[in-house]
Amino acid sequence: EAQVTQNPRYLITVTGKKLTVTCSQNMNHEYMSWYRQDPGLGLRQIYYSMNVEVTDKGDVPEGYKVSRKEKRNFPLILESPSPNQTSLYFCASSPRIAGGTDTQYFGPGTRLTVL
Amino acid sequence: AQSVAQPEDQVNVAEGNPLTVKCTYSVSGNPYLFWYVQYPNRGLQFLLKYITGDNLVKGSYGFEAEFNKSQTSFHLKKPSALVSDSALYFCAVRPNRDDKIIFGKGTRLHILP
Repeated sequence: EAQVTQNPRYLITVTGKKLTVTCSQNMNHEYMSWYRQDPGLGLRQIYYSMNVEVTDKGDVPEGYKVSRKEKRNFPLILESPSPNQTSLYFCASSPRIAGGTDTQYFGPGTRLTVL
Repeated sequence: AQSVAQPEDQVNVAEGNPLTVKCTYSVSGNPYLFWYVQYPNRGLQFLLKYITGDNLVKGSYGFEAEFNKSQTSFHLKKPSALVSDSALYFCAVRPNRDDKIIFGKGTRLHILP
């Protein structure tokens, strides 16, 4: 089954404790992206990757890191989480963005709470 | 700045009535337009998209959307609402073929039985 998976689905942590949210897709998509969803703000892009070893900042990259060592995986790293990073996070993938017509496939989301 | 707006935070519609969820955009060129739906505790799911051609686009679950270039709008519609249509709907735009996608803030649709 074609899908985007995220782990964990739920996470409660404390300020300053490094964490990683994994994202994996099995559709051989070049493009992957991370979003955060907050009430009243909709979806905001954190980072995206056009292909392996190619990543770029989205609209709200502060406090986050990503890596793209393999095509299928795109982990989101919070080196020192803070309470303002409490949010619902979504990973998404799509075929080459240059095509322009390609829709994104979303993971189920990770609800993160930073105390 | 390029943007997409969903002017209504919430829309309430009685079951069986037609529904409209509004979306307007402000971009240059010929954008690609999308609608996504998010059910509770789920990720976003693609509904439909407009790339070129016929202004009326048909998508999943009986939804359709009309592209209006002069009004820069891409409203989502359905002739007869179902309670199961209750969800959060996002409009999105890709300004040009190589640009990243921009999402609206979402509209919560409530279908009343």
